[in-house]
Amino acid sequence: QSALTQPASVSGSLGQAITISCTGSSSDIGANHFVSWFQQRPGSVPRLIIYEVNVRPSGVPDRFSGSKSGNTASLTVSGLQAEDEADYYCSSYTRFSNILFGGGTKVTVL
Amino acid sequence: DVHLAESGGGFIQPGRSLRLSCTSSGFNFGDFAILWIRQAPGKGLEWVSYIRSETYQKFTNYAASVRGRFTISRDDSKGVAYLQMDSLKTEDTAVYYCVRDLTRGLALDVWGQGTMVTVSS
Repeated sequence: QSALTQPASVSGSLGQAITISCTGSSSDIGANHFVSWFQQRPGSVPRLIIYEVNVRPSGVPDRFSGSKSGNTASLTVSGLQAEDEADYYCSSYTRFSNILFGGGTKVTVL
Repeated sequence: DVHLAESGGGFIQPGRSLRLSCTSSGFNFGDFAILWIRQAPGKGLEWVSYIRSETYQKFTNYAASVRGRFTISRDDSKGVAYLQMDSLKTEDTAVYYCVRDLTRGLALDVWGQGTMVTVSS
């Protein structure tokens, strides 16, 4: 199975809202609600920021939110901060109980 | 403090074997699924394998790229998971992360620091 499709890069100004898309298929994103998002700052370990489409773990700022429509999931960062500059990865279970990741999106804060 | 720590990485020739260990602390290891996820230098994340808890019969699954070559296992009495990697290929070169799944639904909330595996002649 192919990786999930994410834009290579997204940029926004401080305080702006950005949205990162993650497109899969009816065999993965469209098949269940197990979609997660991870943030990876340079030189750091990935960090869970959203799971089960729209659930935020404790400690994750509420400016991060997730959603899903059909075969596409989205991560929105409202009120972009300098510390949000990082790589973001989506992930989903497939109907075959495999796990797919997106190729990653580099977020730049202008 | 909840913690995972990988060990066993290193430099190895193609075709050889390596075993990675993932040691836990601060939580009841046996209650959670454990995953191995890797990241090649400068690349994105790639799922490698997972093993579910005893409650789910320690069900295992593997990415197509490693199936038949890698074997995941766990020793809940020691709080340790393993990844036996055989017939290594140059494309297996990556940082390997051990990760806990909080809910069995991709809530990958605890990550180790990773261990580097370099496969090269």
